[in-house]
Amino acid sequence: GAGVSQSPSNKVTEKGKDVELRCDPISGHTALYWYRQRLGQGLEFLIYFQGNSAPDKSGLPSDRFSAERTGESVSTLTIQRTQQEDSAVYLCASSAQTLNTEAFFGQGTRLTVV
Amino acid sequence: GNSVTQMEGPVTLSEEAFLTINCTYTATGYPSLFWYVQYPGEGLQLLLKATKADDKGSNKGFEATYRKETTSFHLEKGSVQVSDSAVYFCALTNQAGTALIFGKGTTLSVSS
Repeated sequence: GAGVSQSPSNKVTEKGKDVELRCDPISGHTALYWYRQRLGQGLEFLIYFQGNSAPDKSGLPSDRFSAERTGESVSTLTIQRTQQEDSAVYLCASSAQTLNTEAFFGQGTRLTVV
Repeated sequence: GNSVTQMEGPVTLSEEAFLTINCTYTATGYPSLFWYVQYPGEGLQLLLKATKADDKGSNKGFEATYRKETTSFHLEKGSVQVSDSAVYFCALTNQAGTALIFGKGTTLSVSS
């Protein structure tokens, strides 16, 4: 596709369930980023992929959060045993190489944990 | 670590008014600085950037100058339009150069 695609756009889940969020970056972009935006807050960095490896995962808030990327393309962010404080918009971005090339963002997945 | 602070909103202006949104940063080394914009119903998109001191980024009538002496990157526009209504985010690269660190965003509302 022409832009970064995220699915689902909205997800409501019960506390304690696992969720998977998907990101399809722009074709050919080697760098991929996940961010979280809680209501009224700025964007929190979660993890950075270069190709299929994650040289910086310092933003993952707990071991309930994990992410993988395959084929230097699709990435999945998994949250296990969801808690109410995980409710947020999860944003994915990709860029051609480094951060000094423009990062293109998807429209996000709004996760609500009830 | 690197951090950024931007003015709280919302900012409400009439069409053709002058806009300034303040952004200051704390950083080790020489980060790149960015302004991203999110229009209603759309994803974040790059508005402008500057990669070294004294650089001026500009786009769509918006400008921001990388000021190392004041650690600032204020966004300005001489005459805003209704279509500029959006949320504006100031950002900089982290120390490792592996991520962007964002401010909390400033909501701009322009009325005709």
